[in-house]
Parts: sequence; C-alpha cells; structure tokens
Amino acid sequence: GAVVSQHPSWVICKSGTSVKIECRSLDFQATTMFWYRQFPKQSLMLMATSNEGSKATYEQGVEKDKFLINHASLTLSTLTVTSAHPEDSSFYICSAGGTTGNEQYFGPGTRLTVT
Amino acid sequence: QKEVEQDPGPLSVPEGAIVSLNCTYSNSAFQYFMWYRQYSRKGPELLMYTYSSGNKEDGRFTAQVDKSSKYISLFIRDSQPSDSATYLCAMSMGNQFYFGTGTSLTVIP
Repeated sequence: GAVVSQHPSWVICKSGTSVKIECRSLDFQATTMFWYRQFPKQSLMLMATSNEGSKATYEQGVEKDKFLINHASLTLSTLTVTSAHPEDSSFYICSAGGTTGNEQYFGPGTRLTVT
Repeated sequence: QKEVEQDPGPLSVPEGAIVSLNCTYSNSAFQYFMWYRQYSRKGPELLMYTYSSGNKEDGRFTAQVDKSSKYISLFIRDSQPSDSATYLCAMSMGNQFYFGTGTSLTVIP
C-alpha cells in the first residue's frame, strides 16, 4: 500500500517551454501533497505544500507563477514548470501525506533537463 | 541551529556489519519520526515510522527514539550491498515535516 507514482520519470525540454509533471497516489487518498526539488548529492528542498481543492502554499523563494501547482483531486497533483530555463533542470519529487497525516510517501521522482 | 542534524557521512562498511545511523533534533514538539532510504536518482522510500520512545524492529532494521535526549537512530543488521543508499531521517508535528540532510552509506561486498 501507499504507492505514489510520478509521470514522466524523465523529460527533456527546450528553454522557454512549459512542462507538466503529474503525481498520483494510487491506493490511498491524499489530502495533502508536497513538491520537492533535489540537486545532486543534496537533500530535499520543499517547494510547496498543496491541499486538495485549495491554493498551494509556497516556500519562501519559490516563484509561484513559475511553478504552478494544482491539486484538483485527492489522488492527483500536478506541477507545471512554466517558461523553463536551464537553471530549472533538477530532480523533482512529489510526496503524499499518509492517512494519519504524520508521514509522507514519495513518488519516484522526475528528472527535468532544460536545454 | 538546524531543526534536524544528520551526519552526511559518507559511511563505508563491510558486508555483514551492523550499521548505526543517527539524527539529533532540537524541537521537543516533534511527535513522529521516520527513516527513509533513497537510491540514486529515485524517490525516498519510507523504511520505518514511529511515534514513541523506544525501539521498533522490522526485519534487519531497528529504529530507536530517545525523546529525552532528542536523538533517533536506525540500526541495520547484517548489512548487504543492496543497502547502499542515502538514508534520511525525518520528523513531523502536525503538517510540518523536517528532514535531515541524509547519510550516504556504502556496503562493500
């Protein structure tokens, strides 16, 4: 149980284009989902927290107009990187809050490369 | 002072050794404690989850929490090369989560 999927697992896009990443909780409903960014050999950096049906809460320094998050249902959240630039290249990981709300289950991550 | 401190390692041990991974924290309000394993280029995988002081065992893994000392540990018995990964500790209170920076572990065959 507690499986979270992400799609795509790897995407290459050209500078200036937008990319959408999907995060799904497959066998449970997640009221809260989290989006992280991770650079090589570094820890997780929380970007935003989203609750189903409401606007996401972004961490300080994260541009909400650049990283659009939608949490339209209890099993799906999306992250759209708008007008992507090479500096947006990174590993993006989503997670879903468990049924107790006290633990997180992570997706496998999406590697974004912007050329 | 960071909320959660974790030695980044790297830690290298021979196969079969007992591994001890540790984290300290500063906020006594933390209620739930987790250990995650992350393989390279993969998302973290929840290994252990506990909310009380004491030990919790699952196969070769034992999670230990000492709330009085604000210290948590993960022990891996009979370590295997497949255990080579980065291990992250995490703590939560309410909807707030705090992660350690991760300890890189290599188990040498």
